Amino acid sequence: DGGITQSPKYLFRKEGQNVTLSCEQNLNHDAMYWYRQDPGQGLRLIYYSQIVNDFQKGDIAEGYSVSREKKESFPLTVTSAQKNPTAFYLCASSWTGGNQPQHFGDGTRLSIL
Amino acid sequence: KQEVTQIPAALSVPEGENLVLNCSFTDSAIYNLQWFRQDPGKGLTSLLLIQSSQREQTSGRLNASLDKSSGRSTLYIAASQPGDSATYLCAVSGTASKLTFGTGTRLQVTL
Repeated sequence: DGGITQSPKYLFRKEGQNVTLSCEQNLNHDAMYWYRQDPGQGLRLIYYSQIVNDFQKGDIAEGYSVSREKKESFPLTVTSAQKNPTAFYLCASSWTGGNQPQHFGDGTRLSIL
Repeated sequence: KQEVTQIPAALSVPEGENLVLNCSFTDSAIYNLQWFRQDPGKGLTSLLLIQSSQREQTSGRLNASLDKSSGRSTLYIAASQPGDSATYLCAVSGTASKLTFGTGTRLQVTL
């Protein structure tokens, strides 16, 4: 079945540690996105990529980094510079161009030890 | 900067009732508006996408309308069922397909 796979489902980070969240899609979509969701708030865009080897900052990119070496993969690294990383992280993908719906994975919940 | 507001934040209705969820946005320069459903601890499921040139979209018991000039959208759910209980999010698309989300309406449909 086509879809978006995020792993792991739960992740714990120690102080000063970088952690990487995986996002893989087999929908052949060109564009991929990372969002952060906090309780009582809407999703906020961290980074997005519309083509391999290119990506742009979203609204809250500080403390995060990404890479897009393959079309199907868009990993997100939460660095030690992100002082409040506890949140639910969602990855999405879509075709490029206007009016293309975004499809979401099941998310990764990151907590601080 | 685009801002999206959803009212009410939470709603409880008895099974079988028809209901309306509201979404408003501040910048009418959008490509489309999407309604999503989110179950607890899960990702988002796309329900309906309305292009900026359209007025409404329908899927089964769901009907979404868009009034771009006034910055409003509604999601109408007919004959609600307990399985409809979830959080409903609306999001508007600007440039580069970037979505701006509202904070959601948490719906509970009781027996």
